[in-house]
Amino acid sequence: EPEVTQTPSHQVTQMGQEVILRCVPISNHLYFYWYRQILGQKVEFLVSFYNNEISEKSEIFDDQFSVERPDGSNFTLKIRSTKLEDSAMYFCAVLQGGNSGNTIYFGEGSWLTVV
Amino acid sequence: GENVEQHPSTLSVQEGDSAVIKCTYSDSASNYFPWYKQELGKGPQLIIDIRSNVGEKKDQRIAVTLNKTAKHFSLHITETQPEDSAVYFCAARAGGGADGLTFGKGTHLIIQP
Repeated sequence: EPEVTQTPSHQVTQMGQEVILRCVPISNHLYFYWYRQILGQKVEFLVSFYNNEISEKSEIFDDQFSVERPDGSNFTLKIRSTKLEDSAMYFCAVLQGGNSGNTIYFGEGSWLTVV
Repeated sequence: GENVEQHPSTLSVQEGDSAVIKCTYSDSASNYFPWYKQELGKGPQLIIDIRSNVGEKKDQRIAVTLNKTAKHFSLHITETQPEDSAVYFCAARAGGGADGLTFGKGTHLIIQP
């Protein structure tokens, strides 16, 4: 199972501020993803990223969100102007190939609290 | 888009008994069905997955079955242990790596000692 490190583990930010969440996959992967989970709810897909560009995105991933992989290692999610409803756990995930097919593995998450 | 329904929302079983969690999906193009275990404050941990060309898969105490005709799949945990207590999520995905997983709402599994 690949190791996916996320930072920060927890961040508290004022409404309207910009936030950057980071993900460092240990191994090379083709696809990277961001998901979010509002407290007590299901995990929701935000965006997939392949070959340094967005492949798919959900309705949640609006203009306030952006992703990039600036240095070929870190994979970041930027929220430009945070709102109260952005408070959630954000998970980075990677696609790893294996003998039985491709599998998606999740990081431990970054808990974002917007006040 | 895909819709995944998961039942029950809470399941309490005696230690040593079996637990079954069921999911249905709406998109007949879905071809990949993973199950994740999530402990409090942690990320989803993949425990088993199944693809649409297989009807059943087993890994020690955990098994998953898939009925493509009925569009439902189930997680079976036998000989449950206290460490099995967690929230379990089913998910489905159509297409390839670019597509996101659609998750169910989760089942809180409680193992009673």
